[in-house]
Amino acid sequence: DAKTTQPTSMDCAEGRAANLPCNHSTISGNEYVYWYRQIHSQGPQYIIHGLKNNETNEMASLIITEDRKSSTLILPHATLRDTAVYYCIVRPMNSGGSNYKLTFGKGTLLTVNP
Amino acid sequence: GAVVSQHPSRVICKSGTSVKIECRSLDFQATTMFWYRQFPKQSLMLMATSNEGSKATYEQGVEKDKFLINHASLTLSTLTVTSAHPEDSSFYICSARGDYSSPLHFGNGTRLTVT
Repeated sequence: DAKTTQPTSMDCAEGRAANLPCNHSTISGNEYVYWYRQIHSQGPQYIIHGLKNNETNEMASLIITEDRKSSTLILPHATLRDTAVYYCIVRPMNSGGSNYKLTFGKGTLLTVNP
Repeated sequence: GAVVSQHPSRVICKSGTSVKIECRSLDFQATTMFWYRQFPKQSLMLMATSNEGSKATYEQGVEKDKFLINHASLTLSTLTVTSAHPEDSSFYICSARGDYSSPLHFGNGTRLTVT
């Protein structure tokens, strides 16, 4: 799977938008970009994923550059409960069985401050 | 949305005993489940892939005789840590998915402490 690079940590003020970047310059044409987050002492939570188009759901927006070498996860109005480690992961589409596994990097610790 | 339930959330056991952790997919069937381990201040590391009705596939360096995995049904996989030692103390997390297009969903983890 393609490797991703994320900043170690970021801070954001409560109520403001949190923009979390991810570089995946070696991404292949058949690889999706996934975002998960892990709140302290809990299992990872799925946020969003995309291939090449921008995506939005009730949790966040995902902006993928045209060359697909980087992406940004946007939390439009961060709250204190959004403090977590955010993981950007790429994996091939249409991979079933054991090939579906996700490989986690170190992620970005987002701290939302009051 | 898809829910993965893990039990117990915490367990403390004595060195040399065995501990079983259950992972259930509550509202979908999962032919494949994944077991991860996470040490303090580290990221999740994949331990093994659990396949319904067949033997699990273990990652390099993970002892299959120590970490027994059973995936007897489409909604249940179990991880048994046998002859646990203090160095096995960790946060164990399972994950599962439904159909091909579904993302992986994770349980809330099991904090194992071996004394």
